[in-house]
Amino acid sequence: EAGVAQSPRYKIIEKRQSVAFWCNPISGHATLYWYQQILGQGPKLLIQFQNNGVVDDSQLPKDRFSAERLKGVDSTLKIQPAKLEDSAVYLCASSYTSSGTHTFGSGTRLTVV
Amino acid sequence: GDSVTQMEGPVTLSEEAFLTINCTYTATGYPSLFWYVQYPGEGLQLLLKATKADDKGSNKGFEATYRKETTSFHLEKGSVQVSDSAVYFCALSTNTGNQFYFGTGTSLTVIP
Repeated sequence: EAGVAQSPRYKIIEKRQSVAFWCNPISGHATLYWYQQILGQGPKLLIQFQNNGVVDDSQLPKDRFSAERLKGVDSTLKIQPAKLEDSAVYLCASSYTSSGTHTFGSGTRLTVV
Repeated sequence: GDSVTQMEGPVTLSEEAFLTINCTYTATGYPSLFWYVQYPGEGLQLLLKATKADDKGSNKGFEATYRKETTSFHLEKGSVQVSDSAVYFCALSTNTGNQFYFGTGTSLTVIP
């Protein structure tokens, strides 16, 4: 089966600019996750979708981050405006059920300068 | 709250050495436990998992046993190879399945 697709692979932006990341999960996976992985740390969950509904966004900085999964398939994560501390790898993962094993994409490495 | 604590790295071993990476967890109920591996420049890949106490997960020569009495899920391999060089993450999924927690990762470098 095809894996979790993410784009772009790398992005460099200036602070206060906006950026968007795209994720296409494995076909049939109802649950989609966005994680932020800062260098030297483990992934931190930003938001979890079940189909097109949000299950958990308690750690999403909602003043600048937003995410959507309108048709319950692919998803977009946006940052506006970006800050220096947003520099990280943004990982998308999906699973068949909310308790299933995560399959991760390769991630988008964001550098904010 | 629920959390995972794993030994800090980096760990450097010679080829064919024995590997142990410690992982302990704090959780209510009966979580599922996982080890993920991240090779340089790649996303995380599931290495092995265990869903209940005393289960042993194994894959590619790696093993980990779910120990409820010690709340541990230590990763072991009897003989490491250069190709095992990566960052290893311990993780848990809550028994409701709705939340996933990762440890901070342990970097392993295996030298010939």
